[in-house]
Amino acid sequence: KQEVTQIPAALSVPEGENLVLNCSFTDSAIYNLQWFRQDPGKGLTSLLLIQSSQREQTSGRLNASLDKSSGRSTLYIAASQPGDSATYLCAVGLYGLSFGAGTTVTVRA
Amino acid sequence: DTGVSQDPRHKITKRGQNVTFRCDPISEHNRLYWYRQTLGQGPEFLTYFQNEAQLEKSRLLSDRFSAERPKGSFSTLEIQRTEQGDSAMYLCASSRIPSRDRGSGANVLTFGAGSRLTVL
Repeated sequence: KQEVTQIPAALSVPEGENLVLNCSFTDSAIYNLQWFRQDPGKGLTSLLLIQSSQREQTSGRLNASLDKSSGRSTLYIAASQPGDSATYLCAVGLYGLSFGAGTTVTVRA
Repeated sequence: DTGVSQDPRHKITKRGQNVTFRCDPISEHNRLYWYRQTLGQGPEFLTYFQNEAQLEKSRLLSDRFSAERPKGSFSTLEIQRTEQGDSAMYLCASSRIPSRDRGSGANVLTFGAGSRLTVL
């Protein structure tokens, strides 16, 4: 059974600092890895998808890397803003995704 | 298209009652997924459909749970004889079969806002 872990569970940084969010998984046969954002009481918004054959994906201030051999992915958010405050979840799989519990980020103005 | 719609947004019910949630996916999406999320946890996969066929069910989907997608468009998730442990956010998502030029594995899910169930 795929286990996905996200550490830390919570993170608070001042505005402008770069964010580094970690995700680890136990089974390297992941197909895809996706990063999502969730605002309180709302659904999930897909941020980045990395296919198993890829090493990284970039979108604006976001960059996600994937190292299947070590079972890790890292989401980098450059120059954080208060609007980046949310819970960030990673998920692996193709159809029935396995999610981590998320990292709740607070960016202080 | 306004995205994935879920109804109702909130449902409060007494233990033992039946509840039904509805999900309307993005119109051109042929895959539809149900997940359950409890406070402080990530979503847990329940089941998914490709068109009207239910292709995978998690062992979390007990006999009291049933999902349908009769015409390959909207879907319903029914919970019979609700228990307090069923209290959670029920999330629906949809996706389309990736085209070859987008890569065979690029299955990007779009989630709805969820239906929150409280069982008293």
